[in-house]
Formats: sequence, C-alpha cells, structure tokens
Amino acid sequence: SQQGEEDPQALSIQEGENATMNCSYKTSINNLQWYRQNSGRGLVHLILIRSNEREKHSGRLRVTLDTSKKSSSLLITASRAADTASYFCATQAYSGAGSYQLTFGKGTKLSVIP
Amino acid sequence: NAGVTQTPKFRVLKTGQSMTLLCAQDMNHEYMYWYRQDPGMGLRLIHYSVGEGTTAKGEVPDGYNVSRLKKQNFLLGLESAAPSQTSVYFCASRAGTNDGYTFGSGTRLTVV
Repeated sequence: SQQGEEDPQALSIQEGENATMNCSYKTSINNLQWYRQNSGRGLVHLILIRSNEREKHSGRLRVTLDTSKKSSSLLITASRAADTASYFCATQAYSGAGSYQLTFGKGTKLSVIP
Repeated sequence: NAGVTQTPKFRVLKTGQSMTLLCAQDMNHEYMYWYRQDPGMGLRLIHYSVGEGTTAKGEVPDGYNVSRLKKQNFLLGLESAAPSQTSVYFCASRAGTNDGYTFGSGTRLTVV
C-alpha cells in the first residue's frame, strides 16, 4: 500500500523559479526521505528527515516535516533544467521483528523549462 | 566504489520461463531490498533482507523468491514468469536505520 501521497502529480516551472512538492502520509513514521529519479535511471537519495526534526537543508533543498499533520514538503530553490526529474517521498516505519520498511509515494514529475 | 550493481539491465522472457536477477553491493550494507516499479504505481517492496542468510516478504512477494547467501549479494528469482511481472526491478541497500537507501540502476523485464 502507498504510504505517501505526493502533490502535485506534475509541476512545470521556469528555470530560476522555486519548486515546492508536498507529501502526506497516514501512519507513524521513523523518518521521511526524498528521492530523485531521472528518466530511465535509478533513484538517488536526496535528504532524510527524522520524525523528531522539523526542518532540514541540503544545498538548494529544504525539507520540512509536520508530524501532527502527517505531511512534508520539499522546496528546490533557484531551479535548473538539470532538476527535471521525478521526485518521490518515502516514509520509513517500523514493520516488526526489529525491521523497518520504506514505502514510496507515486511521485511528482518536475519539468524545469530553460 | 561501484555502489549497487544489478544484472542484467534488460531481459525479455516468455511466459513460464524462469530467471534470476542479481544484485551486488560493495558498501558492506546489512540491509538489502528488491522493489518493482510500474507506471503510476510508484515503487512496491517485493522482498527484503536484514542480513546475510535472512529474507522476509514485502508488500508484493507472490511469484518471487529471494536468497541472501552472501552479505554482498541479494538474488531475486522468478520461477514461472507471468506477463503481470513485466516491470522495472530495483535493488537497494542501506547501512543503518537512519541512512538513505542506495539504489541500483534497475532491470527492465518484459514477459511476453
């Protein structure tokens, strides 16, 4: 079952603008992660935010987490054409027997127009 | 460092044939995963392993088997392929609980 749901499904912006993607989830989590996937390629880990953190930065990326609303957002500032990709939210939750599972949403397809 | 390597990259199978997908990681990670990605469905977990010699079922395990005989390798087997198993398969590994996953580049499998 998909734990995370990204919004919007698709986003098209001009180079230099900021891009914001949102993710909502349903159950308690240990952490939330964002991944990027270029067309036909594997997923690349971007950033991880733990359940007790509210905000995290990495270069041009800013992630927020609101556990009371079960939601997260990914902000990419000053976008570039190379940021064109699909972005996935993934939630890690305890699945029993000492293990954790990572469950992915369906992704947001970002197009950055030069 | 190669990271996570998947072989083969592409494969076409006939219904009923069997095959094994190989995943190899050189990062000494304990945890390894097999996902499938279908259009509009995101990634779904097939099987996973929390260490050498261990395997466990994920969300969509039916029709697949796995083995983790060596820490660095995680094999995904299809005993009797079905068209519904046409998908892109990704292997991933991670070190600790609060570490990101490293993904392979995927295997595109078509069952005709």
